[in-house]
Amino acid sequence: DGGITQSPKYLFRKEGQNVTLSCEQNLNHDAMYWYRQDPGQGLRLIYYSQIVNDFQKGDIAEGYSVSREKKESFPLTVTSAQKNPTAFYLCASSTGTGEKLFFGSGTQLSVL
Amino acid sequence: DQQVKQNSPSLSVQEGRISILNCDYTNSMFDYFLWYKKYPAEGPTFLISISSIKDKNEDGRFTVFLNKSAKHLSLHIVPSQPGDSAVYFCAASGENNDMRFGAGTRLTVKP
Repeated sequence: DGGITQSPKYLFRKEGQNVTLSCEQNLNHDAMYWYRQDPGQGLRLIYYSQIVNDFQKGDIAEGYSVSREKKESFPLTVTSAQKNPTAFYLCASSTGTGEKLFFGSGTQLSVL
Repeated sequence: DQQVKQNSPSLSVQEGRISILNCDYTNSMFDYFLWYKKYPAEGPTFLISISSIKDKNEDGRFTVFLNKSAKHLSLHIVPSQPGDSAVYFCAASGENNDMRFGAGTRLTVKP
């Protein structure tokens, strides 16, 4: 089955800890994205990557880091510098410019 | 600053009637516009899209209209069905492939 897999579904972060959210796709898509959704709000773009070994900051990149070493993987690290990390995180991919995004099922991150 | 805006947080319509969801954008470099439907704790799913060279695109009960001069697009659902109840997001991207989303509109279709 082709698709996007995000793991874990739920994640808890302690004070001062870095955590990494996994995103894997087997759709052979070039572009991948990370979004954050807060309760009652829309999706805000954190980072996006159009091709392997390249990525760009979105609107709220501070406190986050990404890597794109393989086409199928785009992990997001929430660093200790992100002071308000509690949110629902969504990963997506697409074939290219202007094309529809396919989303994973999301990771709910909470702070202990 | 939000580049894609959905100013109506919620909309309620009767089954069988038309639902009209609106979206405004500020970035004139956007060329591609999409609508997504979302249920709680799930990822959004694609509904319909339109590129800037068109002013209308239709797919079954769903039609998207684009007014480039007003930087405005709308999604029409007719006839509305109870299963259409969800949050609808408008999204836009330019040639650099950075897709931005609006805040969403919660549609409730009453039987």
